[in-house]
Amino acid sequence: GAVVSQHPSWVICKSGTSVKIECRSLDFQATTMFWYRQFPKQSLMLMATSNEGSKATYEQGVEKDKFLINHASLTLSTLTVTSAHPEDSSFYICSASSGTGVGAKNIQYFGAGTRLSVL
Amino acid sequence: AQKVTQAQTEISVVEKEDVTLDCVYETRDTTYYLFWYKQPPSGELVFLIRRNSFDEQNEISGRYSWNFQKSTSSFNFTITASQVVDSAVYFCALSEAGRGGNQFYFGTGTSLTVIP
Repeated sequence: GAVVSQHPSWVICKSGTSVKIECRSLDFQATTMFWYRQFPKQSLMLMATSNEGSKATYEQGVEKDKFLINHASLTLSTLTVTSAHPEDSSFYICSASSGTGVGAKNIQYFGAGTRLSVL
Repeated sequence: AQKVTQAQTEISVVEKEDVTLDCVYETRDTTYYLFWYKQPPSGELVFLIRRNSFDEQNEISGRYSWNFQKSTSSFNFTITASQVVDSAVYFCALSEAGRGGNQFYFGTGTSLTVIP
C-alpha cells in the first residue's frame, strides 16, 4: 500500500514553455501533498504544501506564480512550472500523507520524481 | 539552525560490513517524529521507519536497526551485513507536532556505497 505515482518521470522542454507534473496517491486519500525540489547531491527543499480544496502554502522564496499548484482531489495534485527557464531544471519530487501525526498518518510517501530539463 | 544534522556526507563499506548512519536532531517540541528514508539511484524516496518521541525502544527490522536516544537527540541507523543493494542516499527527517506533524525537516543525507 501507500503508493504515490508521479508523472512524467522525465521531461525536456524549451525555454518559455510550461510543464505540468502530476502526483497521484493510488491507494489512499492524501489530505496533504508536498512538492520538493532537489538539486544534485543535495537534500530536499520543500517548495509548497497543498491541502485538498484549498490554496497551497508556499515556502519563503518560492514564487507562487511561477510554480502553480493545484490539489483538486484527495488523490491528485499538480505542479505547473510556468514559462520554464534553464535555471528551473531540477529534480522535482512530490509526496503525500493521509493526515497529521495521529497514528502514522503523517508519514509522507514519495513519488519517483520528475527530472526537468529546460533547454 | 539546522534541525537535522547528518554529519556523514559519504560512507563506503565493503559488502558484509556493518555500517551506522548518524542523525542528530534539534527541537523544542516534546512531541515529534523522526523518520528515515532511502533514496536509491532511481530517485524515489522509500520510507523505512517512523518513530515518535515517546517511544525510545530500539527497533530491528531484518538487517536494519535504529537506535533512538533522546538524551543525545540522536536517531542512528545501522545496517548489518551490508549488501550492494543498500547503496543509496539515506535521509533522516524530523516533524514537529507543534506544527501539525506534517512538515518535514530533512537532513542533508548520507550517501552510502557498498563495495562488492
